[in-house]
Amino acid sequence: SAVISQKPSRDICQRGTSLTIQCQVDSQVTMMFWYRQQPGQSLTLIATANQGSEATYESGFVIDKFPISRPNLTFSTLTVSNMSPEDSSIYLCSVDSGVSYNEQFFGPGTRLTVL
Amino acid sequence: GENVEQHPSTLSVQEGDSAVIKCTYSDSASNYFPWYKQELGKRPQLIIDIRSNVGEKKDQRIAVTLNKTAKHFSLHITETQPEDSAVYFCAASQMNRDDKIIFGKGTRLHILP
Repeated sequence: SAVISQKPSRDICQRGTSLTIQCQVDSQVTMMFWYRQQPGQSLTLIATANQGSEATYESGFVIDKFPISRPNLTFSTLTVSNMSPEDSSIYLCSVDSGVSYNEQFFGPGTRLTVL
Repeated sequence: GENVEQHPSTLSVQEGDSAVIKCTYSDSASNYFPWYKQELGKRPQLIIDIRSNVGEKKDQRIAVTLNKTAKHFSLHITETQPEDSAVYFCAASQMNRDDKIIFGKGTRLHILP
C-alpha cells in the first residue's frame, strides 16, 4: 500500500490563527480524503480532495473554514482557519487503495491543540 | 443516508478468549464493509474487509461475517493477545462509487492478562 506522510505531526496554536496541514503520498492516487477525529470519537469525513477542481465538502463543513488544495495526484493540504478550541482534534488524510475508492488507507494524523 | 451502529462501546476479554464486535447498517445498497484497528496514538489500520457477495472471510485469528438480510456484520477475534487491545471501527460503503465510508462509533477492546 502507499506510504502516506503528514506534516506537522502535532501543533499547538492560538485561537484566531490558521494552520495548514500537508498530506504527501509516495504514489499517484485517485482519491484523497480529509477526516477529523475528536478525542475518543469516531472518524468524520470533512471533504474529498479532488485533483484539479474544488473539494467536495460534507454537511457541517465549509470551504471558508477548511479550505483544501489538491494540486496533483500525490499531494493535498487542509487549512483550519480562524481556529477556536473546538477545532482541537486529530486531522487525518486518507487515500484510496487504487483498487476501489472505498478501500482507504490513513496517514499518521496531525494532532492539533488550540488554546 | 447510511447509518452504522456498533456494539459494544467497550469490551474486556481475558487473554486467550474470543472477542466479538457487532455492527448494523441501514442502507441495503451498501456492499463493502471494512474494519479498522486503531491503537493508542496511531492511525486507523485496515485489518479486514468483506464484500456483500460473500458471507464470511477469515484471516488468521480474525474473521468477519455478514448477514445481508438482517443488515448486520460482525468481527470475531479468536485466541486474543495483549496486542489486540485497541479501538476497532466498523464501516459501510458502496464499492466503486464515489461514495463516502460511514464509520461506526468504535469499540474499545481491552485484553486482560
